[in-house]
Amino acid sequence: DAKTTQPTSMDCAEGRAANLPCNHSTISGNEYVYWYRQIHSQGPQYIIHGLKNNETNEMASLIITEDRKSSTLILPHATLRDTAVYYCIVRDFNTGKLIFGQGTTLQVKP
Amino acid sequence: GAVVSQHPSRVICKSGTSVKIECRSLDFQATTMFWYRQFPKQSLMLMATSNEGSKATYEQGVEKDKFLINHASLTLSTLTVTSAHPEDSSFYICSAPDPAWNYEQYFGPGTRLTVT
Repeated sequence: DAKTTQPTSMDCAEGRAANLPCNHSTISGNEYVYWYRQIHSQGPQYIIHGLKNNETNEMASLIITEDRKSSTLILPHATLRDTAVYYCIVRDFNTGKLIFGQGTTLQVKP
Repeated sequence: GAVVSQHPSRVICKSGTSVKIECRSLDFQATTMFWYRQFPKQSLMLMATSNEGSKATYEQGVEKDKFLINHASLTLSTLTVTSAHPEDSSFYICSAPDPAWNYEQYFGPGTRLTVT
């Protein structure tokens, strides 16, 4: 079973920041938090990952709480092309498996 | 990032026939690959872990005799859906971890299987 819970859907205005929350209260100390997104009928696309420090790359920022029980993915300036299903995943440390939950459907509106 | 390809992108077959789907890592070697299945409006479900040079390991509830996996080389894994039935119609996606990128998993574009 997935170790994360996310809201089913969210809306965001184009040009504004999109903040997608994720709860992973049972995460172990050596497990990473990964974010992927899936645009309709395509394979998932890697966005970002982190262990305990906040991370930023050209696509997004990842904020992880100090107790590591939750995190937030931030898309700083959402565009219409960011409309997708966003998956927050705790990667199994031993097997490397990614177990997908239901994800959050982000709708970016003009 | 690394590139993973799948072939074919779409396939339609008749009930009772078998279909083979290929997954290739194009610019890196992958000793492990993962196969997922996704039904409409649902999330990805992990089916099995493909291991180069050894047997695949299947997730609970996945029939290993129906979904044959062969990891023949460090860049190719194949999934064969045997005696396909309409309920096997789905979107099949593979992924591979790239050792050059801290074993980040890169996903293929998926294969849409329709069984008539």
